[in-house]
Amino acid sequence: GAGVSQSPSNKVTEKGKDVELRCDPISGHTALYWYRQSLGQGLEFLIYFQGNSAPDKSGLPSDRFSAERTGGSVSTLTIQRTQQEDSAVYLCASTTPGQGNSPLHFGNGTRLTVT
Amino acid sequence: RKEVEQDPGPFNVPEGATVAFNCTYSNSASQSFFWYRQDCRKEPKLLMSVYSSGNEDGRFTAQLNRASQYISLLIRDSKLSDSATYLCVVNGDSSYKLIFGSGTRLLVRP
Repeated sequence: GAGVSQSPSNKVTEKGKDVELRCDPISGHTALYWYRQSLGQGLEFLIYFQGNSAPDKSGLPSDRFSAERTGGSVSTLTIQRTQQEDSAVYLCASTTPGQGNSPLHFGNGTRLTVT
Repeated sequence: RKEVEQDPGPFNVPEGATVAFNCTYSNSASQSFFWYRQDCRKEPKLLMSVYSSGNEDGRFTAQLNRASQYISLLIRDSKLSDSATYLCVVNGDSSYKLIFGSGTRLLVRP
């Protein structure tokens, strides 16, 4: 079946512009995650959705970052007034949480470059 | 102390070697444990879940030591295609918050 889809795959933007990143999770997956990975670094947890709700937004780096999810499906991550330090790969993952271990299924990511 | 810590490596081993990685975690209440594999400039992919009693999948064996708060991954008969970064994943202060280690890089040489 279809996996997690992210768009755009690459985004180059000028410092100060706003960007919107999109994630289409696997159908039926109620949980959706956003992570950020800078070059040569590990994955940094940003936010988690269960349905349309985000119980924990503490991972968002600053108030320039926001995310929403509608209809329990598509999610968008918005970065306002982008800075060069926002350059990274933004990864979305989905899963169906339940009893025991529920692995994450990742999209291919959006590579954001802020010039 | 980081929530999830891994030796960054790289581990450089010949084909056919056995290699093991450890990962330590700080939250004694953690319940979910995984190993992911990430190839260069690709997204992470699940390698295997880690169960309390330990589990094996072909050449890969995962173990959990709750008392010492670490998980391990053993790779037998290494292949060139095993070259990648191996990421340890543990749930954090809530069941949904999955924390990734920074990864251990493995290089398998001919």
